[in-house]
Amino acid sequence: EAAVTQSPRSKVAVTGGKVTLSCHQTNNHDYMYWYRQDTGHGLRLIHYSYVADSTEKGDIPDGYKASRPSQENFSLILELASLSQTAVYFCASSERDAEQFFGPGTRLTVL
Amino acid sequence: AQKVTQTQTSISVMEKTTVTMDCVYETRDSSYFLFWYKQTASGEIVFLIRQDSYKKENATEGHYSLNFQKPKSSIGLIITATQIEDSAVYFCAMREPNNNNAPRFGAGTKLSVKP
Repeated sequence: EAAVTQSPRSKVAVTGGKVTLSCHQTNNHDYMYWYRQDTGHGLRLIHYSYVADSTEKGDIPDGYKASRPSQENFSLILELASLSQTAVYFCASSERDAEQFFGPGTRLTVL
Repeated sequence: AQKVTQTQTSISVMEKTTVTMDCVYETRDSSYFLFWYKQTASGEIVFLIRQDSYKKENATEGHYSLNFQKPKSSIGLIITATQIEDSAVYFCAMREPNNNNAPRFGAGTKLSVKP
């Protein structure tokens, strides 16, 4: 059974609309992360969290909010979606200094 | 700020040969953690191997091994006896242990293994 799941797996959104991407992990990990991958590029860190009810900004947080209501759940929120936010979004979890376990990704298309 | 660089955009090798993928990093910390991940054509990202900076021995895991050169801030991934199914994109990542930091990734190297 997959330890990190993401929903939805794909989404088409309209410019200016609100989008929420959800991530759930059953690894009992403290750390959770949101990365963005653009076609042909690496993974860029948006937000992360190391404890419930607290989030930290990554390298490209502008235009994104994050929420960690519990150890298992971590959401990424786009309040006003823009064309430039079209990408694949990956969630991951890990222990503090250990390897990360990734979800299957969410393909977001903003029109 | 930590930075990870993979200069090889793509590599093509023949099956059953050995390939090395390069990765260099920047950090002010003396202790840190290095990781390699594989992203398959389906998009799945899986962990392959890690190197803790305080360990002098190069890590090995199956047909994956690392060439860790701390003075050069370099961590190369070596795949021996490559197989067609090794074709994928390989990412290097680094984590600094201080301040509850998060891992940063390089841009990735696309490996094509040809029969």
